[in-house]
Amino acid sequence: DGGITQSPKYLFRKEGQNVTLSCEQNLNHDAMYWYRQDPGQGLRLIYYSQIVNDFQKGDIAEGYSVSREKKESFPLTVTSAQKNPTAFYLCASSIGTGTEQYFGPGTRLTVT
Amino acid sequence: RKEVEQDPGPFNVPEGATVAFNCTYSNSASQSFFWYRQDCRKEPKLLMSVYSSGNEDGRFTAQLNRASQYISLLIRDSKLSDSATYLCVVNNREGTYKYIFGTGTRLKVLA
Repeated sequence: DGGITQSPKYLFRKEGQNVTLSCEQNLNHDAMYWYRQDPGQGLRLIYYSQIVNDFQKGDIAEGYSVSREKKESFPLTVTSAQKNPTAFYLCASSIGTGTEQYFGPGTRLTVT
Repeated sequence: RKEVEQDPGPFNVPEGATVAFNCTYSNSASQSFFWYRQDCRKEPKLLMSVYSSGNEDGRFTAQLNRASQYISLLIRDSKLSDSATYLCVVNNREGTYKYIFGTGTRLKVLA
């Protein structure tokens, strides 16, 4: 089955530690995205990538980093510089600009 | 003014009822429009894209009104399983991959 996978589903870290969230897709989509969702707020874009080896900052990129070495994979690192990292992180992909996005099941990160 | 606005609800409706949600957007250059469904603590799932001429998928009908800058979602014959939060998403095609998400409208279908 084609789709997007994210792992792990739940992640707990101590403050000051970097953590990497995995996102893999087998939909053959060019574009991939990382969003963050906080209670009562809409999804906010962290980073997106239109093509392998290229990515752009979204609205809230500070404290995050990404890589896009393969078309299928777009991992997100939450660094210790991110002030409020506890959130629900969603990875998505789309064929191209303005087309439907498809989401992975998300990773719920808790930093204490 | 928010770029995409939705009434947060909740909309409490009995099973079998017809319910409609609106979503307004502020950027007149917006090109693509979508409705997603999100269950509690789950990822958003695409419900339907919204086309200029309006479109229907079973019990769901989506409409676009460019003049007034809103999209709508109509659900007929509501089922208990329709209970969820419905997200309105707008994309501006001016060379960006930016999708703007509304905060969602919560629907509860009551037995």
